[in-house]
Amino acid sequence: GAVVSQHPSWVICKSGTSVKIECRSLDFQATTMFWYRQFPKQSLMLMATSNEGSKATYEQGVEKDKFLINHASLTLSTLTVTSAHPEDSSFYICSATKGNPQHFGDGTRLSIL
Amino acid sequence: GQQLNQSPQSMFIQEGEDVSMNCTSSSIFNTWLWYKQDPGEGPVLLIALYKAGELTSNGRLTAQFGITRKDSFLNISASIPSDVGIYFCAGQEDSGGGADGLTFGKGTHLIIQP
Repeated sequence: GAVVSQHPSWVICKSGTSVKIECRSLDFQATTMFWYRQFPKQSLMLMATSNEGSKATYEQGVEKDKFLINHASLTLSTLTVTSAHPEDSSFYICSATKGNPQHFGDGTRLSIL
Repeated sequence: GQQLNQSPQSMFIQEGEDVSMNCTSSSIFNTWLWYKQDPGEGPVLLIALYKAGELTSNGRLTAQFGITRKDSFLNISASIPSDVGIYFCAGQEDSGGGADGLTFGKGTHLIIQP
């Protein structure tokens, strides 16, 4: 089956730091990648949709200047959480698709001290 | 925005029992999916449904896409210990291109008592 790799799996850093998370589709070229956020004991919430070579589309309430998305190739998308604060601590999960269904990475646990 | 109501929130069952959970929506989705998530991991796709009325099986799992396009259910037969986890339904407006993000239900936490 389709494999999506996410790195790192776990990050702890100080408040004010910027953190970059990578999402790679290992065995297929993804036309679209998505970024989700999941707070403890809650569901996944879509943050943004990313297509290779174009600007990401952000969901309402998600700050595009805080969550920078770069989709450099059909197999790689990155999410950078800029100047992270404790309230940004969450589980960030990417998914990739080449036309249904979406396959998810294993997530990145981000903890801001 | 769209909302998915998933029930039950949690289930405590004995090994070997059958399980049923469902999702309803206030609006139409053209694709329904069911995922399972283990602690600290990403969701894993169980079943994808693309046509209203479609009934699809994957081993002991069976899921249906409601005729109204506003609901779906997932059944698990003869549960085993490895079925423990959180099950999420997800709806997608897109009818096949895969360009839309998913709207997730709040999850059903399945617990199997020995």
